[in-house]
Amino acid sequence: NAGVTQTPKFQVLKTGQSMTLQCAQDMNHNSMYWYRQDPGMGLRLIYYSASEGTTDKGEVPNGYNVSRLNKREFSLRLESAAPSQTSVYFCASRGDSYNEQFFGPGTRLTVL
Amino acid sequence: KNQVEQSPQSLIILEGKNCTLQCNYTVSPFSNLRWYKQDTGRGPVSLTIMTFSENTKSNGRYTATLDADTKQSSLHITASQLSDSASYICVVSARSGGSYIPTFGRGTSLIVHP
Repeated sequence: NAGVTQTPKFQVLKTGQSMTLQCAQDMNHNSMYWYRQDPGMGLRLIYYSASEGTTDKGEVPNGYNVSRLNKREFSLRLESAAPSQTSVYFCASRGDSYNEQFFGPGTRLTVL
Repeated sequence: KNQVEQSPQSLIILEGKNCTLQCNYTVSPFSNLRWYKQDTGRGPVSLTIMTFSENTKSNGRYTATLDADTKQSSLHITASQLSDSASYICVVSARSGGSYIPTFGRGTSLIVHP
């Protein structure tokens, strides 16, 4: 089992460019999440998907869109990147045992 | 608004020493509390989980406690090792219908020196 995988690991964008962060899990989990982590801040929820075909906004959704392509895959899209979106992005999936979340290795995004 | 506060923000200890990290929360309705360990450059990994009825849970050299009345939790690390250097994150989840809504603390950065 690979667990939760994310691509790319690193990305540099110019302001206004768009990109999609990919996430996949092989644990047959229903729920998947996207977080951002900034220095001195806790993980903040951007969007989540409780099940295939559903998505909901989290704490900081502005500037992002998501797609739950199927049960395995949950992508995060930045339509017009801004320097404020420079961050480390983590994808996670949730198991059935009391909300344990399994995190991917993260994508380090810099927007110039 | 649900909140999780952790202290201290950072901590430096010598290898072999013990330490205790604190977590205070205002999350409702409370479902469970987890401590995660996040190594530099990696995603967080769960160490322990505690539900309302549990007040102590151990995982090797890690022992978590929960006082649901005062809404406080602690993570005690015994006989620290260099590999314990990491950020420790307290996550408290509220149950909302069929979903769990997690609230993350900002973490305590632990550095263990030889």
